[in-house]
Amino acid sequence: DAMVIQNPRYQVTQFGKPVTLSCSQTLNHNVMYWYQQKSSQAPKLLFHYYDKDFNNEADTPDNFQSRRPNTSFCFLDIRSPGLGDAAMYLCATSRERGWGTDTQYFGPGTRLTVL
Amino acid sequence: DAKTTQPPSMDCAEGRAANLPCNHSTISGNEYVYWYRQIHSQGPQYIIHGLKNNETNEMASLIITEDRKSSTLILPHATLRDTAVYYCIVRGLNTGTASKLTFGTGTRLQVML
Repeated sequence: DAMVIQNPRYQVTQFGKPVTLSCSQTLNHNVMYWYQQKSSQAPKLLFHYYDKDFNNEADTPDNFQSRRPNTSFCFLDIRSPGLGDAAMYLCATSRERGWGTDTQYFGPGTRLTVL
Repeated sequence: DAKTTQPPSMDCAEGRAANLPCNHSTISGNEYVYWYRQIHSQGPQYIIHGLKNNETNEMASLIITEDRKSSTLILPHATLRDTAVYYCIVRGLNTGTASKLTFGTGTRLQVML
């Protein structure tokens, strides 16, 4: 089945130690998104790639970066994780064709713990 | 995108219909109403969306009022597996950029035996 895959499902890192979360998709969608969801809160968009174009949300901290080496893969890099960055990180994809509205498909998420 | 208002929580007996309301009084003419749900510790899952006509699929029905200021998601025969947080999201028409989702606080639906 076509899907959005996130690895690992659980990640533990130390305060200040860089960490990378990965997302892959078999849907061949041209847009990939990263959301942050803290405990008991709604998902919050960090940034997205529309094809190769990176689009950052205005309030996303500089500590968060992203890479998309090809259509299928997208990475979330946290350069110096703080305790406040502990959250579920959700990857999503959609196929945007320049018109209409397209559904976003979410992966299962990676739960990040910062010690 | 227009703001939405949902009750924070609802209960429903298993086998009964679950009717989840959403207010979006500032919705504009080209904005769609989307519903997603998030089962505990999983990613959000798309349910249904509509513009102004009522919509139905294998998961649910969406009833949008004539003035489009509110809508109701109907799960016709709720099961325990429908226990989740349900998000009502208003989203504009994609015009060549990604159609981003802005999640509100959602409604926590508890389906009970």
